[in-house]
Amino acid sequence: ETGVTQSPTHLIKTRGQQVTLRCSSQSGHNTVSWYQQALGQGPQFIFQYYREEENGRGNFPPRFSGLQFPNYSSELNVNALELDDSALYLCASSLGGPGPGSTDTQYFGPGTRLTVL
Amino acid sequence: QQQVKQSPQSLIVQKGGISIINCAYENTAFDYFPWYQQFPGKGPALLIAIRPDVSEKKEGRFTISFNKSAKQFSLHIMDSQPGDSATYFCAAKGNRDDKIIFGKGTRLHILP
Repeated sequence: ETGVTQSPTHLIKTRGQQVTLRCSSQSGHNTVSWYQQALGQGPQFIFQYYREEENGRGNFPPRFSGLQFPNYSSELNVNALELDDSALYLCASSLGGPGPGSTDTQYFGPGTRLTVL
Repeated sequence: QQQVKQSPQSLIVQKGGISIINCAYENTAFDYFPWYQQFPGKGPALLIAIRPDVSEKKEGRFTISFNKSAKQFSLHIMDSQPGDSATYFCAAKGNRDDKIIFGKGTRLHILP
C-alpha cells in the first residue's frame, strides 16, 4: 500500500452537478498531483499543488479546481459536470518540491470512480 | 497530440517467457522515463525508471532499454509470471515541470 487514500471509492452524479473528491497524502509529502484516467486510457495530468499553491496545470478547463491543506489532505472540485467527466480520478503524492530534474516518486492512491449520468 | 506512444495495446505471454512493451516519444525535453504497473482497482505503482544518460537499467526481472537517438524505450519482463498480469504504462517527465505524461497502456496477460 502507498499510504495515499482517496474518498469516496465510487460516486454517481448527474450532468450539471458539482463534485468534490478527497485525497489524503502520505505524511510529510508536500506535493500532490491529480490525474484523470478514462476507461482504457493512461492517466492525464490535471494539476499539481505544492505547499497549498497550484504549481502546474494540464489541459483541463477552469471548472476543475483544487485545494491542498496543511494536514496533507487535498480536494479536487469539478463544477458543471459533463458526461465526459466520467473517469477514475487519481491523486498522487510525492515527498519533495517540484522543479526541473525532480525525480521524486509519485505515490498513487486507489482512485475515485466518478460516473456522470 | 499524443506525446508518448505505447505498443502493443495488449499482450499475451506464456509463463516463463519474455514480455516486451515499447514506447516512443517526441519531446526532447523529457528527461525522466518511469514505468508504472496498475492492477484492477488500484492506482498505478512505480515499477522502474530511467534517465536518458544511461542505455539500460535492470531491477530484478525488469529491464528498461533506452535509445536516446531513436527516442524509444522499452520494458522487458524476464521469466514472466501470472502475477505480472496487469496494465503497464510508460511515461515521461520533462525537465521544466513535474507533469508526468503517460502512454495509453498495455494490458499484459501471462498464461499459467
